[in-house]
Amino acid sequence: DIVMTQTPLSSPVTLGQPASISCRSSQSLVHSDGNTYLSWLQQRPGQPPRLLIYKISNRFSGVPDRFSGSGAGTDFTLKISRVEAEDVGVYYCMQSTQFPYTFGRGTKLEIK
Amino acid sequence: EVQLVESGGGLVQPGGSLRLSCAASGFTFSRYEMNWVRQAPGKGLEWLSYISSSGSTIYYADSVKGRFSISRDDAKNSLYLQMNSLRGEDTAVYYCARDHPQWLVPDYWGQGTLVTVSS
Repeated sequence: DIVMTQTPLSSPVTLGQPASISCRSSQSLVHSDGNTYLSWLQQRPGQPPRLLIYKISNRFSGVPDRFSGSGAGTDFTLKISRVEAEDVGVYYCMQSTQFPYTFGRGTKLEIK
Repeated sequence: EVQLVESGGGLVQPGGSLRLSCAASGFTFSRYEMNWVRQAPGKGLEWLSYISSSGSTIYYADSVKGRFSISRDDAKNSLYLQMNSLRGEDTAVYYCARDHPQWLVPDYWGQGTLVTVSS
């Protein structure tokens, strides 16, 4: 199974400041079709997960442009350009290049 | 509007069985692959099972293989998870999630249903 390692596990951020979360996979996430199926999900308190970013850098419908994804191969990053209060929650990276789908342990974003 | 509504959760004794349902609406259910994902209290997300749009391809996580069974009824726009031989570590919120056909990622999730395994 592909192991997804996220850092940090907790990130206190000041409102309006940027935030960055890293995710590393134990093996390349490049699929045989040439795509890289690395996604980012947000889970606000008491809510189900919500898709933010798919295939490394594509924002899902309705996701603000302050969220961006980057990376390649085994190293990926989610960036929030200016953190807002509604961004509080846990962020997960997820690979769907091969079964079983696997998630990172999650990064808790908190406001300082 | 895409909607996924899970039901069937509750309290069950260790060794018992439970069947979860996920009612889908707002999209052509038969064209989509579906997943079950769970989240133990205070823990992260764990993918459990996948079923293709035709139902012919199914995958399970090792943690539930041989105990859980995924199925679908396209006529009822419904996804199911039959859970047998339940253990305390199966206590979790269970989510159904739709896979986007091109992006290979769960793009819509239900609100979840809580399963508690305890005597």
